[in-house]
Amino acid sequence: ETGVTQTPRHLVMGMTNKKSLKCEQHLGHNAMYWYKQSAKKPLELMFVYSLEERVENNSVPSRFSPECPNSSHLFLHLHTLQPEDSALYLCASSQDLGAGGEMVWGYTFGSGTRLTVV
Amino acid sequence: TQLLEQSPQFLSIQEGENLTVYCNSSSVFSSLQWYRQEPGEGPVLLVTVVTGGEVKKLKRLTFQFGDARKDSSLHITAAQPGDTGLYLCAGPLTDSWGKFQFGAGTQVVVTP
Repeated sequence: ETGVTQTPRHLVMGMTNKKSLKCEQHLGHNAMYWYKQSAKKPLELMFVYSLEERVENNSVPSRFSPECPNSSHLFLHLHTLQPEDSALYLCASSQDLGAGGEMVWGYTFGSGTRLTVV
Repeated sequence: TQLLEQSPQFLSIQEGENLTVYCNSSSVFSSLQWYRQEPGEGPVLLVTVVTGGEVKKLKRLTFQFGDARKDSSLHITAAQPGDTGLYLCAGPLTDSWGKFQFGAGTQVVVTP
């Protein structure tokens, strides 16, 4: 399988549940990302991992917890979410080409997980 | 803050018509990217423009990067229903590793 694969595609969870989103990339990229996409709003960057080290945590609430065990896998652990967290969660990967990671030549996105918190 | 504003928010046209969508900022970007997102899928990279004034063509799609590298446009000639989707522009943020600013997107609907 190629590209970026996200599971599950759809998730409905109660506010007291704990669930995890999974992302896997088969492109040999060295950086992975979690984005949140809400209707009519720009994509919001949540977390960035480069070479399995977290380099960015964009002021995301602690009820979202990322995990990157290796360069091919990325998880987003969810607990005690709120209804306003309902959105499309996108995983992406890229290949860092700059010495300091400044230039990223585009993301490859997964199909996303449509999350509904009830 | 390097914000990207896209216009229009929504565009509905008939098959065979032409359309242009815009991506504007008050800030300079070293490059801009265009993505298309179809329903139920993630965004797919269409093109990256790097040089001010650059024009790139991808079949019926023409992308232009402004001379001052603050804006970009996407023109579709003879639109087809397969061009339907959310068109997003994105640019790398200065001094922020791996972080891209996205616009809110233009929803394009092409009806047969």
